[in-house]
Amino acid sequence: DSGVTQTPKHLITATGQRVTLRCSPRSGDLSVYWYQQSLDQGLQFLIQYYNGEERAKGNILERFSAQQFPDLHSELNLSSLELGDSALYFCASSVNKGSGGYTFGSGTRLTVV
Amino acid sequence: DQQVKQNSPSLSVQEGRISILNCDYTNSMFDYFLWYKKYPAEGPTFLISISSIKDKNEDGRFTVFLNKSAKHLSLHIVPSQPGDSAVYFCAASAGNNDMRFGAGTRLTVKP
Repeated sequence: DSGVTQTPKHLITATGQRVTLRCSPRSGDLSVYWYQQSLDQGLQFLIQYYNGEERAKGNILERFSAQQFPDLHSELNLSSLELGDSALYFCASSVNKGSGGYTFGSGTRLTVV
Repeated sequence: DQQVKQNSPSLSVQEGRISILNCDYTNSMFDYFLWYKKYPAEGPTFLISISSIKDKNEDGRFTVFLNKSAKHLSLHIVPSQPGDSAVYFCAASAGNNDMRFGAGTRLTVKP
């Protein structure tokens, strides 16, 4: 157990639908990062939050949004889902704003049918 | 924006031999580099890191080499063990910015 909890582990949904992925960071970590891993692709950085505020944005589609709540857990919202959104979505957390090793959760596997 | 590249999608080595995984980057502002290891159905786990002020960092069987002029780093595993079979991701960051990852290299260590 890495200390980063992601729910659900698996999600199957239809095209056009909306889903919410949840992440609880490791205790004491203020930064939360979201990454997408599609088939045979690397980890694509989506977005980072630090202590409730958006810190950095990567290749995140406009259909996707995220937020970090006062208790530091984060949610990634994916809407108007397309087949190509099927992927593993990882959340990671760290103590500092950026540099240093991240602790990853075990991921949410999203399948859009 | 492929700032971190791992050009070898897979690598197969014999148990006991050396595994060398390579990574190239394009952003000269990167000053911190890491390797992560990922087993199926698990998230990536931190393996080893190196700061840009160093050219080598060693931790047991794992050594990371950094060649700043070539914008290249490598991970050496000696000796390789079957349990090392996993996907290895190279990552880099600049200052306090987010980390960028390569596409990963799947290492298979054969008994």
